[in-house]
Amino acid sequence: KAGVTQTPRYLIKTRGQQVTLSCSPISGHRSVSWYQQTPGQGLQFLFEYFSETQRNKGNFPGRFSGRQFSNSRSEMNVSTLELGDSALYLCASSLGGETEAFFGQGTRLTVV
Amino acid sequence: SQQGEEDPQALSIQEGENATMNCSYKTSINNLQWYRQNSGRGLVHLILIRSNEREKHSGRLRVTLDTSKKSSSLLITASRAADTASYFCATDARGSTLGRLYFGRGTQLTVWP
Repeated sequence: KAGVTQTPRYLIKTRGQQVTLSCSPISGHRSVSWYQQTPGQGLQFLFEYFSETQRNKGNFPGRFSGRQFSNSRSEMNVSTLELGDSALYLCASSLGGETEAFFGQGTRLTVV
Repeated sequence: SQQGEEDPQALSIQEGENATMNCSYKTSINNLQWYRQNSGRGLVHLILIRSNEREKHSGRLRVTLDTSKKSSSLLITASRAADTASYFCATDARGSTLGRLYFGRGTQLTVWP
């Protein structure tokens, strides 16, 4: 079956702009979580959605937001982009609970 | 913080040798997962071991878990150049099903042909 799909794969944006990233989970998975990966901070948790509800949120400013649709697809939005938002953004899907989490290929965001 | 730590940070070996990476974490867990990441790409799921398991195998991979020491190890046997990647362990938090994983900084494995 198809894996986790993230679009787009690469993005270049200018400071102050906003960006929306998309994640389509594995069919049947209801949990989608988002992570930011940078060389300096490593993998940091952004938020997790299950059945359209945000259940958990990491320590990121309010400029980072997300949502999940009824088909479990999820989007994350970053407003007023800063240079420090340049990172690889990864989403993971799982059945929920204590099960394996599978990651997509990521979206590489560059803010100039 | 729950965040795990992998050790060593970097490991360089020859093809055919075994590679062992260790992971330590701080609080009780439900399970621990190991992932591989090739340069700048997504994380590939390797194996999940539950807190009531002590050892698990998958192909050339062997994972152990010692909950009393809050540590895990990943052994890759007969390594290949294609195993060159970063390896991460990820833990959840005991009693929580809220989908959050805690990652360490990873071990960069280089396998020379």
